[in-house]
Amino acid sequence: DQQVKQNSPSLSVQEGRISILNCDYTNSMFDYFLWYKKYPAEGPTFLISISSIKDKNEDGRFTVFLNKSAKHLSLHIVPSQPGDSAVYFCAARLGGTALIFGKGTTLSVSS
Amino acid sequence: GAVVSQHPSRVICKSGTSVKIECRSLDFQATTMFWYRQFPKQSLMLMATSNEGSKATYEQGVEKDKFLINHASLTLSTLTVTSAHPEDSSFYICSARDREKGGNQPQHFGDGTRLSIL
Repeated sequence: DQQVKQNSPSLSVQEGRISILNCDYTNSMFDYFLWYKKYPAEGPTFLISISSIKDKNEDGRFTVFLNKSAKHLSLHIVPSQPGDSAVYFCAARLGGTALIFGKGTTLSVSS
Repeated sequence: GAVVSQHPSRVICKSGTSVKIECRSLDFQATTMFWYRQFPKQSLMLMATSNEGSKATYEQGVEKDKFLINHASLTLSTLTVTSAHPEDSSFYICSARDREKGGNQPQHFGDGTRLSIL
């Protein structure tokens, strides 16, 4: 039973446009959510996070939105750049330690 | 900062061999490190939580005798896949959190180890 779901395996966006990556979760006890970016043959790199007590966190071109009632979070990248092309993982934390990851969404940004 | 080094990056070996993977935090101390496994097109699945100076905590379904974890210092955790078989072939990745920074600090990941058992 997957507690963190990324239902879109891939997303293609043109350079300069907005990329929206979605993530749904089932466990209302998650207290912290993170987005990681992963290039081939490298480990995930932390991108941005949000506490369950907030509904928005912004860092430069990256904004994460959390809708607790819908158990949904999204990552917005604007404007998208070709260098943003990677696999994006949504992760949720339970109990302050380990992370539960989604399957990832492959973002392709074309110039 | 917050660099995690994982070694080796790739291993190819015969069935029955034991393989050791190292995970080091280079510029911070980590009382807790995490070991994940990823199958193709799947999510990172937590295998175990490695605690410095004590026994690792394994997730349900992970054989502790198969995947030996040692966290002997604040900067090093090792995962040994004992008597590896082809079904153990996977991508193994570790992460660590800076013990000096509490609260909502993210885990920092190594680059992973691609293990292929022939």
